Amino acid sequence: EAGVTQFPSHSVIEKGQTVTLRCDPISGHDNLYWYRRVMGKEIKFLLHFVKESKQDESGMPNNRFLAERTGGTYSTLKVQPAELEDSGVYFCASSPRRIVPGELFFGEGSRLTVL
Amino acid sequence: AQKVTQAQTEISVVEKEDVTLDCVYETRDTTYYLFWYKQPPSGELVFLIRRNSFDEQNEISGRYSWNFQKSTSSFNFTITASQVVDSAVYFCALSEAGGTASKLTFGTGTRLQVTL
Repeated sequence: EAGVTQFPSHSVIEKGQTVTLRCDPISGHDNLYWYRRVMGKEIKFLLHFVKESKQDESGMPNNRFLAERTGGTYSTLKVQPAELEDSGVYFCASSPRRIVPGELFFGEGSRLTVL
Repeated sequence: AQKVTQAQTEISVVEKEDVTLDCVYETRDTTYYLFWYKQPPSGELVFLIRRNSFDEQNEISGRYSWNFQKSTSSFNFTITASQVVDSAVYFCALSEAGGTASKLTFGTGTRLQVTL
């Protein structure tokens, strides 16, 4: 069974540009999460989808970030326009409909570097 | 607000040594979950263990053991007879018990390097 896949693995862009990160969760997983780790700091929650609906987006830093999950399958996270402080590793995770608390399946992350 | 502190940024041990990774947490919730995740060089986070705040029993799984002490708000992780394959970044995390309990608050991680 394929795990959570994220694309791209690394993206380097200039300040002001737009980047779109994609996450394909494990097939059949209704819950999808985005987390972010800024260099050297803790991993922080961004948002949680249940199927195509945003369950909790309290961690989204500002309106330059837009997350979507069309059809309840894959998800995209767009940063527009990117700022230097957006650099970090963006993790996607998924879990089945019947949630085992905190047992998330993470992808390998998408590293974003904003110059 | 919840907070997780992993004071050890990096630990280096020689294979077969025992090593303990410290985790201290803060929360106002009376019920919560604690977790440990492992991040190998490939990058993904791998779930290791979950502990409910009502269950203070220590747990052992092979060479891994966890010590949960509510009195000191700590949830330490010990690897016995470490191996090179244990080299990774280890994250301690905390979540409230309500809802999906999947909104995790992570610590900054401890990088463990096991050498021959």
